Amino acid sequence: GAGVSQSPSNKVTEKGKDVELRCDPISGHTALYWYRQRLGQGLEFLIYFQGNSAPDKSGLPSDRFSAERTGESVSTLTIQRTQQEDSAVYLCASSLPLAGGREQYFGPGTRLTVT
Amino acid sequence: SQQGEEDPQALSIQEGENATMNCSYKTSINNLQWYRQNSGRGLVHLILIRSNEREKHSGRLRVTLDTSKKSSSLLITASRAADTASYFCATGQAGTALIFGKGTTLSVSS
Repeated sequence: GAGVSQSPSNKVTEKGKDVELRCDPISGHTALYWYRQRLGQGLEFLIYFQGNSAPDKSGLPSDRFSAERTGESVSTLTIQRTQQEDSAVYLCASSLPLAGGREQYFGPGTRLTVT
Repeated sequence: SQQGEEDPQALSIQEGENATMNCSYKTSINNLQWYRQNSGRGLVHLILIRSNEREKHSGRLRVTLDTSKKSSSLLITASRAADTASYFCATGQAGTALIFGKGTTLSVSS
């Protein structure tokens, strides 16, 4: 079956513009995660969704960042009023129901460049 | 905040040599996982070891876990140029998402 897909693969935007990143998880995966990875750095947790539970937003760096998920399918990560420090690769992952940590399946990421 | 910290940050070896990467973490875990990343894009899961396991093998990979020292190691035997990548450990705890370390960059030259 299909893996996790993300779109767009690359996005260049001007400072101050809003951007929307999309993630399509693997069918049947109720858990979905967003991470940010700056150049040469590790993964920075942003947010995760688990079924119908309230999402864990503890990793979102500011109120300019928000994410939504429709049921157990597509998720969008929105960054408002982008800043240059938002430039990074944004990775999405999905997994079977979270139970103390499961193997995560990653999408190819969206490379965001804010000019 | 980072839970896992990999060591070394960078490792350069010749083809055929073994590569060992270490990971230390701070709190109790349910499992520890190792991932590989090529060219700064999506990560690929390599192996998962549960907190009640001490060693696990998968092909040329061997992972050990010492919960008393809160540390794990990933050994890649008989390395190949294609093993060149960044390797991350991630810890799994009940009720939370995985927490990733900063990674070890492995370069294997032929």
